[in-house]
Amino acid sequence: SQTIHQWPATLVQPVGSPLSLECTVEGTSNPNLYWYRQAAGRGLQLLFYSVGIGQISSEVPQNLSASRPQDRQFILSSKKLLLSDSGFYLCAWSAGGRGKFFGPGTRLTVL
Amino acid sequence: AQKITQTQPGMFVQEKEAVTLDCTYDTSDQSYGLFWYKQPSSGEMIFLIYQGSYDEQNATEGRYSLNFQKARKSANLVISASQLGDSAMYFCAMRESPDYKLSFGAGTTVTVRA
Repeated sequence: SQTIHQWPATLVQPVGSPLSLECTVEGTSNPNLYWYRQAAGRGLQLLFYSVGIGQISSEVPQNLSASRPQDRQFILSSKKLLLSDSGFYLCAWSAGGRGKFFGPGTRLTVL
Repeated sequence: AQKITQTQPGMFVQEKEAVTLDCTYDTSDQSYGLFWYKQPSSGEMIFLIYQGSYDEQNATEGRYSLNFQKARKSANLVISASQLGDSAMYFCAMRESPDYKLSFGAGTTVTVRA
């Protein structure tokens, strides 16, 4: 069966510091991978998605970036965090159109 | 423009009763998919049910059923025999072709009362 991991689970970072969130998927090959952000009490906003190694599409302009160095690894980064980057970050995978399965999420607080 | 609209920010339901969560969508695609997710207080997003635009039958998964009315562009979720563990935020989402991006609604908070 497929599983998706994210770490860390929670993170508190000062403004201006770098960020690296990691997501890995097990039990599937060549998945589509996604990063979403959820502000408190709100829906999900798609940030990045990837259909293969090194292939990244950005949905919104921002100071975040994503990379996919391996087939089942997806990394969300920032060189300098802003207060507005606080939120709940969810990684997801899909293989085909019928389902998108989410990781446990990372709760990021930027102070 | 808003692609997914969930007009009910919060709902209360009595245990063992059914509850219907509204979702309307906007798309010009002929091929699309509709999803419902449950997000408990832990934050994880749990996939509940899927309806394809060409599926003739309404999707069902256990106590969850999707009332798909294509002409009205609505995809309401029905939870039957509500349980206390159903208390959570519920999100409707839509995938449009050709990629597999999902657009989410703002969500509906469901609180089940004993």
